[in-house]
Amino acid sequence: DAGITQSPRYKITETGRQVTLMCHQTWSHSYMFWYRQDLGHGLRLIYYSAAADITDKGEVPDGYVVSRSKTENFPLTLESATRSQTSVYFCASSKTGTDNEQFFGPGTRLTVL
Amino acid sequence: AQSVTQPDIHITVSEGASLELRCNYSYGATPYLFWYVQSPGQGLQLLLKYFSGDTLVQGIKGFEAEFKRSQSSFNLRKPSVHWSDAAEYFCAVTTSGGYNKLIFGAGTRLAVHP
Repeated sequence: DAGITQSPRYKITETGRQVTLMCHQTWSHSYMFWYRQDLGHGLRLIYYSAAADITDKGEVPDGYVVSRSKTENFPLTLESATRSQTSVYFCASSKTGTDNEQFFGPGTRLTVL
Repeated sequence: AQSVTQPDIHITVSEGASLELRCNYSYGATPYLFWYVQSPGQGLQLLLKYFSGDTLVQGIKGFEAEFKRSQSSFNLRKPSVHWSDAAEYFCAVTTSGGYNKLIFGAGTRLAVHP
């Protein structure tokens, strides 16, 4: 039972490069989420998805792109990385609805030089 | 707009002492409230949640929290802290709209002295 996994766990890239962070869950949860964690801000929602092929913006979507062609995968792409996107990124999933717990992956630490 | 405030950035307690972490929310309707814990280098783990009913909720690892609507608060408590409780704690509230979008507080980092 793998649960929810993220890859890579650590990534260093340069300004202007494209980066894709992967998220995979084995529970067939309908909802998936991407957050970024920065000191003093807690976690902020970047994008979420209610089902395959349904995505929507969160609080801080600028500079990010998501897709969800399969229920179990929810990749996050930084099309042209900037230093302000240096952060720890967490993926999460939940069954459905507002009363379901979100389960978090272990995070990806991204550094943009 | 919905928001969550955790007034204490850092708290240090002695092992065996009691603990209370504060959380205040701003939300028009009845909120769904959560406390998560994050150990160093780890993802977040749910400690407890409040949706409705009894305002005192019990969670894992001996934690409890009390929802007080009049004070817009959802404080986390533990009667006797263990060294392994050292971590960062996040309070969160859902927004409306049915998509379970969590709004997080900035977190409280707990240190435990032996």
